[in-house]
Amino acid sequence: GAGVSQTPSNKVTEKGKYVELRCDPISGHTALYWYRQSLGQGPEFLIYFQGTGAADDSGLPNDRFFAVRPEGSVSTLKIQRTERGDSAVYLCASSLQPISYNEQFFGPGTRLTVL
Amino acid sequence: SQQGEEDPQALSIQEGENATMNCSYKTSINNLQWYRQNSGRGLVHLILIRSNEREKHSGRLRVTLDTSKKSSSLLITASRAADTASYFCATDSNSGYSTLTFGKGTMLLVSP
Repeated sequence: GAGVSQTPSNKVTEKGKYVELRCDPISGHTALYWYRQSLGQGPEFLIYFQGTGAADDSGLPNDRFFAVRPEGSVSTLKIQRTERGDSAVYLCASSLQPISYNEQFFGPGTRLTVL
Repeated sequence: SQQGEEDPQALSIQEGENATMNCSYKTSINNLQWYRQNSGRGLVHLILIRSNEREKHSGRLRVTLDTSKKSSSLLITASRAADTASYFCATDSNSGYSTLTFGKGTMLLVSP
């Protein structure tokens, strides 16, 4: 079946604008994760969903960042009042269950550029 | 914060040679995983080794884990130009949930 998909693949916005990034996980995967990867760094955890609820949002950098997963499938990461420091690749991953030995399948990412 | 630290940061070898990358981490883990990333985009899972395992093989990949030293190594044997990518180790939080903490990665260049 299809893998994890993310849209858009690239997003360029101006400082202060609002953006939404979308993630379509693999069908049937209950766990969904958002990571952010800056240039030359490894991915950093942002938030994790189990079903519709955010089970751990400790990685969100501040209250400008918010994510939802209303029906337990597609998730949207929302960033308000974007800043240049938000520029990064935003990666989404899903796994069958949120158990530590479950493989996480990653999407291709959305490259966000804030001018 | 990033728990894993890979070394070297960059590695350049010729096709046919072996490539060894190392990862160190700080806290107790349930398992350690290695991922590969091409062109700064999506990551591909390579191999998972549990904390009670010492060595694991998958094709040309060999992973070792030393929990007493909090370190792991990834060996790619008989490398190919197509192995050129960044390689990351990732550890879980020891909470039972699978949020991952990644290192900064090793950039591997395999020249034909």
